[in-house]
Amino acid sequence: QVQLQESGPGLVKPSETLSLTCSVSGGSFGSNYWSWIRQSAGKGLEWIGRIYTGGSTNYNPSLKSRVTMSVDKLKNQFSLKLSSVTAADTAVYYCAREGPYDSGYYVSSLSHWGQGMLVTVSS
Amino acid sequence: EIVMTQSPPTLSVSPGERATLSCRASQSVSSDLAWYQQKPGQAPRLLIYGASTRATGIPARFSGSGSGTEFTLTISSLQSEDFAVYYCQHYNNWPPYTFGQGTKLEIK
Repeated sequence: QVQLQESGPGLVKPSETLSLTCSVSGGSFGSNYWSWIRQSAGKGLEWIGRIYTGGSTNYNPSLKSRVTMSVDKLKNQFSLKLSSVTAADTAVYYCAREGPYDSGYYVSSLSHWGQGMLVTVSS
Repeated sequence: EIVMTQSPPTLSVSPGERATLSCRASQSVSSDLAWYQQKPGQAPRLLIYGASTRATGIPARFSGSGSGTEFTLTISSLQSEDFAVYYCQHYNNWPPYTFGQGTKLEIK
């Protein structure tokens, strides 16, 4: 069973860069799309973007100018960087994998999620 | 961006009764629609994908229907563990995939 775990600083200062890593265990890391989603009281669930194991990315246009995602296949990890953060970026950040695998392809719903990590932006 | 609108925001239902939750898309998403359940302090859990296919391990009392812009999640006989917040999400046209604002299912 695939398991995902977010890690990184829980407190980030305004204008700095938020950096999170998702570690994947228990299943295949290859040939999948890996996503970041955040949840705040004010905006509900928001899809930040996704990265394919091969490195191609898709970002939410509303965040695109500040988001960078990367993947490390050797460590079975993928990462999120969000620059120039403000209090509005305070949220629980989740990593997730698209799936399930059905009829020969991975459906783009989110079948596996990390437990989530609260990141607070404050000085 | 496709906007997903869920109704009602809160639904009060007694255990053992049926619950019907709605989700509307601002434009057609075909059947590229998922439903999630979220309990306090937990990540969302995938219930339904493809508008009507139950994910692995999801009880048969959960069913999804609809296509295009109108979707429904039905829970046929509510159990105590079903009281939670439910979200719909489309994955028809990237970017971005978007979620509804959620329906809180509470005990009547």
